[in-house]
Amino acid sequence: NAGVTQTPKFQVLKTGQSMTLQCAQDMNHNSMYWYRQDPGMGLRLIYYSASEGTTDKGEVPNGYNVSRLNKREFSLRLESAAPSQTSVYFCASSEARQTNTIYFGEGSWLTVV
Amino acid sequence: GENVEQHPSTLSVQEGDSAVIKCTYSDSASNYFPWYKQELGKRPQLIIDIRSNVGEKKDQRIAVTLNKTAKHFSLHITETQPEDSAVYFCAASRGGGGADGLTFGKGTHLIIQP
Repeated sequence: NAGVTQTPKFQVLKTGQSMTLQCAQDMNHNSMYWYRQDPGMGLRLIYYSASEGTTDKGEVPNGYNVSRLNKREFSLRLESAAPSQTSVYFCASSEARQTNTIYFGEGSWLTVV
Repeated sequence: GENVEQHPSTLSVQEGDSAVIKCTYSDSASNYFPWYKQELGKRPQLIIDIRSNVGEKKDQRIAVTLNKTAKHFSLHITETQPEDSAVYFCAASRGGGGADGLTFGKGTHLIIQP
């Protein structure tokens, strides 16, 4: 049981390049999330998907797009990367109906130069 | 939206002493309050949570208290050990599930001095 798996773990991008962070969960969870973590800022919600087929903006959605490909997979896309998007990105999931517990992936370290 | 304030940002205690981290929230509709521990370079992991229908919950050396009237909740760690050194995040959520995400505090760096 892998839980929440995200790739890549590390990535360096040039300003203006695009990339997609992939996330998959094998816990049959309904809800999935993307957070970013910056020093002194805690964890901020970028986008979430309450269930398959739906996505909603979180606190800091600008510069990102998401796709809930199916119940297992939720991807985050940076269309034109900017240095301000240098961060650690965490994908997470929760069952949401019976429990609010959120489980995180291992994180993706992204540097935009 | 929800706003979660967490204090202190850094807490240094002697091994064996107790540590207390406090959080306040703004949305009176929030009803779920988890605490996460994050070791350096690792993912945040849930250590304890509390729902708004209880005032206190314990799990071995850790406990969480909730005061709904004052809209604050606290994490208590007793008999601290070196492995307790980490960043701790509180969070709050409304609704029946995590579908609208958690709002996190900015974290407390807990340092256990030998």
